[in-house]
Amino acid sequence: QQKVQQSPESLIVPEGGMASLNCTSSDRNVDYFWWYRQHSGKSPKMLMSIFSNGEKEEGRFTVHLNKASLHTSLHIRDSQPSDSALYLCAPLTSGGNYKPTFGKGTSLVVHP
Amino acid sequence: GALVYQYPRRTICKSGTSMRMECQAVGFQATSVAWYRQSPQKTFELIALSTVNSAIKYEQNFTQEKFPISHPNLSFSSMTVLNAYLEDRGLYLCGAYRGTEVFFGKGTRLTVV
Repeated sequence: QQKVQQSPESLIVPEGGMASLNCTSSDRNVDYFWWYRQHSGKSPKMLMSIFSNGEKEEGRFTVHLNKASLHTSLHIRDSQPSDSALYLCAPLTSGGNYKPTFGKGTSLVVHP
Repeated sequence: GALVYQYPRRTICKSGTSMRMECQAVGFQATSVAWYRQSPQKTFELIALSTVNSAIKYEQNFTQEKFPISHPNLSFSSMTVLNAYLEDRGLYLCGAYRGTEVFFGKGTRLTVV
């Protein structure tokens, strides 16, 4: 069974700071990495996905992917209190059915 | 837009009893539905992946005998927690697939007393 390691487990950054979150999969069949964000008491919502090696930027959010090491990272610049949430990484593996298996998440707190 | 509704939103059941939860995709056809449980410690566990007209695939530690799932069409899935005990409490999330995107419902929060 695929293992998904996310680090750190929790992260506190000041408002305006940079938050960096990491995720590694153990499954070499991974095709995509999804990042989801779950605000307290809410359901997870898709944030970004990455398929190719390299970097993808959307506003204040940047995702990096290194397929050789099966590692992805999410960076949030100019962090805002509204970014405080649980960030979940979900590698999607191929083979007929995509089956996202989530890591335990990184709990991010951005304090004013 | 793609929406996923889950009901009930919250439920309380007595230890040893069973409860059924439902998931409905609105605005798109969900070829697959994944059921997850998020524990009070926030750990996310995949229970099973259900694809219409295919066998339901259960993850390790979860069985059909305990969590029977019905997925009769492209917009509806239901799961029952049989013989619920304290360790079954948590937020049960349904994730409906549109291609490789997964849209989540707001979950059914199960409390066992």
